[in-house]
Amino acid sequence: AQTIHQWPVAEIKAVGSPLSLGCTIKGKSSPNLYWYWQATGGTLQQLFYSITVGQVESVVQLNLSASRPKDDQFILSTEKLLLSHSGFYLCAWSRQGANTEVFFGKGTRLTVV
Amino acid sequence: GDSVTQTEGPVTVSESESLIINCTYSATSIAYPNLFWYVRYPGEGLQLLLKVITAGQKGSSRGFEATYNKETTSFHLQKASVQESDSAVYYCALGENQGGSAKLIFGEGTKLTVSS
Repeated sequence: AQTIHQWPVAEIKAVGSPLSLGCTIKGKSSPNLYWYWQATGGTLQQLFYSITVGQVESVVQLNLSASRPKDDQFILSTEKLLLSHSGFYLCAWSRQGANTEVFFGKGTRLTVV
Repeated sequence: GDSVTQTEGPVTVSESESLIINCTYSATSIAYPNLFWYVRYPGEGLQLLLKVITAGQKGSSRGFEATYNKETTSFHLQKASVQESDSAVYYCALGENQGGSAKLIFGEGTKLTVSS
């Protein structure tokens, strides 16, 4: 069975500080990987997607970046956090292709102060 | 672009009462998108509740049902008799094809509280 592990569960960070969030997918080779984000009171929106190692496509510009250093790992980061980065971040995966189910991790709650 | 609108929460329903959470969509990039309901229970990750990929069809899971209505561009979630364990946040979503990968467009989410 496939599992998705996200870390950390929650973070409180200062404005201007760096950030790194991660997730690992086990039990599935060559998955499509995604980052979603939901601002407090906002809608879940896709930030990045990756269909292969080393290649990441940006969907929404939020002064964040993403990388896929391994087939099963997806990292979201920034060097300088903004207040507007606060919210709930979800990592997700799906099988290759477009019309497939998307599976989500439990998410990271980020509070920027 | 494509969008999804759903019942604004929070919604409170008494146990054993019926429930309907409205969802309407606007799809400009694809004529018949896949439609989904996702649910997030307290302390859990977002999980798929049900999906329908063919217009006119009905999906069901855990006592919930939703019918893909292309005439009214709706995908309302219904349950005849809710339980306290149904308390969660429900998200309606449509699926787009994005460079060979799946992109989900979500509604705002509806927080449901079932009171005993």
